[in-house]
Amino acid sequence: KAGVTQTPRYLIKTRGQQVTLSCSPISGHRSVSWYQQTPGQGLQFLFEYFSETQRNKGNFPGRFSGRQFSNSRSEMNVSTLELGDSALYLCASSSSAGEETQYFGPGTRLLVL
Amino acid sequence: QKEVEQNSGPLSVPEGAIASLNCTYSDRGSQSFFWYRQYSGKSPELIMFIYSNGDKEDGRFTAQLNKASQYVSLLIRDSQPSDSATYLCAITGSNYKLTFGKGTLLTVNP
Repeated sequence: KAGVTQTPRYLIKTRGQQVTLSCSPISGHRSVSWYQQTPGQGLQFLFEYFSETQRNKGNFPGRFSGRQFSNSRSEMNVSTLELGDSALYLCASSSSAGEETQYFGPGTRLLVL
Repeated sequence: QKEVEQNSGPLSVPEGAIASLNCTYSDRGSQSFFWYRQYSGKSPELIMFIYSNGDKEDGRFTAQLNKASQYVSLLIRDSQPSDSATYLCAITGSNYKLTFGKGTLLTVNP
């Protein structure tokens, strides 16, 4: 079974721009969670989607948003990029809502200049 | 108090020794506890999960959970240089969110 895939793997943007990251979960998995990882803050939860509905949300500003499609693929969007948004963005999938065992994709490394 | 706390390390052990990694948490309603390993430049990979008090063994890895004391630990027996990585403790709290510690960097010296 193929693992979680994320695109793109690397991205360079400038301040003020917006970015969209994509995640395809493991086949059959319906829950997708997004995390931001930085050296100073570690892994921080952004949001979780299940059946196209946001189930949980972390403490990030409204510039961070996401959505999930009927095929369980998910996208996250960051608008008005700031330098501090430079991070590794990780997507994780699990088989169902409340199934906590999550499997991570390779991540998208975003650099904001 | 932070929700999930880990000693950032680095923890350095010689090859063949036992590495002990610890994690404490603040939410008494936490139900599920996970250990992930993350190699430099890679994404986290699940090593073990534990739900009940006591020990759970999987090969060279043993997870230990003590809910009364609010700590969970990971023991790695016969440590190998390939075990050198950052180990992340993750806990599902009463809000059903998975919260990660900042990780402990383990170095196994040949």
